[in-house]
Amino acid sequence: AQSVTQLDSQVPVFEEAPVELRCNYSSSVSVYLFWYVQYPNQGLQLLLKYLSGSTLVESINGFEAEFNKSQTSFHLRKPSVHISDTAEYFCAVTRFSGGAQKLVFGQGTRLTINP
Amino acid sequence: DGGITQSPKYLFRKEGQNVTLSCEQNLNHDAMYWYRQDPGQGLRLIYYSQIVNDFQKGDIAEGYSVSREKKESFPLTVTSAQKNPTAFYLCASSILNRGNYGYTFGSGTRLTVV
Repeated sequence: AQSVTQLDSQVPVFEEAPVELRCNYSSSVSVYLFWYVQYPNQGLQLLLKYLSGSTLVESINGFEAEFNKSQTSFHLRKPSVHISDTAEYFCAVTRFSGGAQKLVFGQGTRLTINP
Repeated sequence: DGGITQSPKYLFRKEGQNVTLSCEQNLNHDAMYWYRQDPGQGLRLIYYSQIVNDFQKGDIAEGYSVSREKKESFPLTVTSAQKNPTAFYLCASSILNRGNYGYTFGSGTRLTVV
């Protein structure tokens, strides 16, 4: 069965510093991988996703994630963070169960940007 | 613009009361989902529905009930049997069996027991 592990529950960084949020998944089949962002008291918004093809995927706000099949990882990175990036980030993988496809979410990583 | 609307944004429940959280979507999605979010525990699936008049239990269905009488609507009732209902509740929808599509989420309802 597919599962997702986010290795850090909280990541504090200074503004303009680089950041990496780690995500590992377990799956014996081809997967679709996602990163979602949640700002305080809001729902989740899709940040980026990996479906196939190029292993590096990018979002419009400077985040990128690299799919690494051998390490079963999908880490999220940004070379220079801004205060507005303060949020919780969720990694997710598609799970196939009972004839349905569902997303399985990691526990989330809270990113805090300090000035 | 298409999207998912959850209401109310904040809800207060007295002990022993049932409350219903609304979720409406105009995306023409077949599948809808309810998640519960607690600090440090990520998202836990309560119920999901793939077609009208059909739904399945998720990982933490006890103390909750749902209905799917219309494609657009998937209300969640938190019953008095749910012993610890204080949480943030998220509704989502997706295209059925399109794992590459991901989910669209509503903005959530924060339920507090008083």
